[in-house]
Amino acid sequence: EAGVVQSPRYKIIEKKQPVAFWCNPISGHNTLYWYLQNLGQGPELLIRYENEEAVDDSQLPKDRFSAERLKGVDSTLKIQPAELGDSAVYLCASSLSGGSENEQFFGPGTRLTVL
Amino acid sequence: GEDVEQSLFLSVREGDSSVINCTYTDSSSTYLYWYKQEPGAGLQLLTYIFSNMDMKQDQRLTVLLNKKDKHLSLRIADTQTGDSAIYFCAAGNTGGFKTIFGAGTRLFVKA
Repeated sequence: EAGVVQSPRYKIIEKKQPVAFWCNPISGHNTLYWYLQNLGQGPELLIRYENEEAVDDSQLPKDRFSAERLKGVDSTLKIQPAELGDSAVYLCASSLSGGSENEQFFGPGTRLTVL
Repeated sequence: GEDVEQSLFLSVREGDSSVINCTYTDSSSTYLYWYKQEPGAGLQLLTYIFSNMDMKQDQRLTVLLNKKDKHLSLRIADTQTGDSAIYFCAAGNTGGFKTIFGAGTRLFVKA
C-alpha cells in the first residue's frame, strides 16, 4: 500500500515568488493535515481537512497561505508571496476519521528554502 | 496555549536502554503518542497510550504515563544503532484531531 505522497521533495525559490506543494494521502483517508516543521521543532498544524472541507485553519496565515482539497482526495498548499521566514519543511499527513486513536500517517515532506 | 516539552538530546551505547521523557500541559489529553522521524522522512507512529492506562509494552518499547504529573516516558530496551532518530512526544484529544507535538528528542546510539 502506498503511503502519503508529497511533491516536490525540495524547492528553492527567491523571496516574493509563489510556491505550491502537493499531497496525495493514503487511499480512503478522509482526514488530511498540513503541518509546518521548523528546524529543531515539532510539526505545527496549519490546516486540517475532513473530505473537502477545511475544518481547522485557525493557524494558517491567510494573508499569504492558501490550501485546497477540491475533490476530497489530494491537496495543494500555496504560499504567495514567499518570505525568508517560510523556509521550513512542510509535512502532509492523513488519517481515517472515526479511528479513536487517530494514527496519523506522514509523508516525507517538502523542504522549502527561500533565498 | 497547550504545550509538550521534551529534552533535546540523548546519547546511549548500543545494547543499553534508552529513556526519553516528556511533559505535557493539557490535562484533557486523551491519547499520548510517540513518533519516530528518521533523516529525510516523515514521522512514523511508534506507539500510543490511552490516558486511562499507566503502562503499555510493545516488544522493546515500554511507555509509562503519570497522568497526575502529566509525564510520559518511552523506554527502548536493547537500543540498536538503527534506533538513532528523532523521537517526538505528542498529546491529542479524543479523535486526535488536535495533536500537539513536542520539539523532539534526538537519540544518538554509539556502537
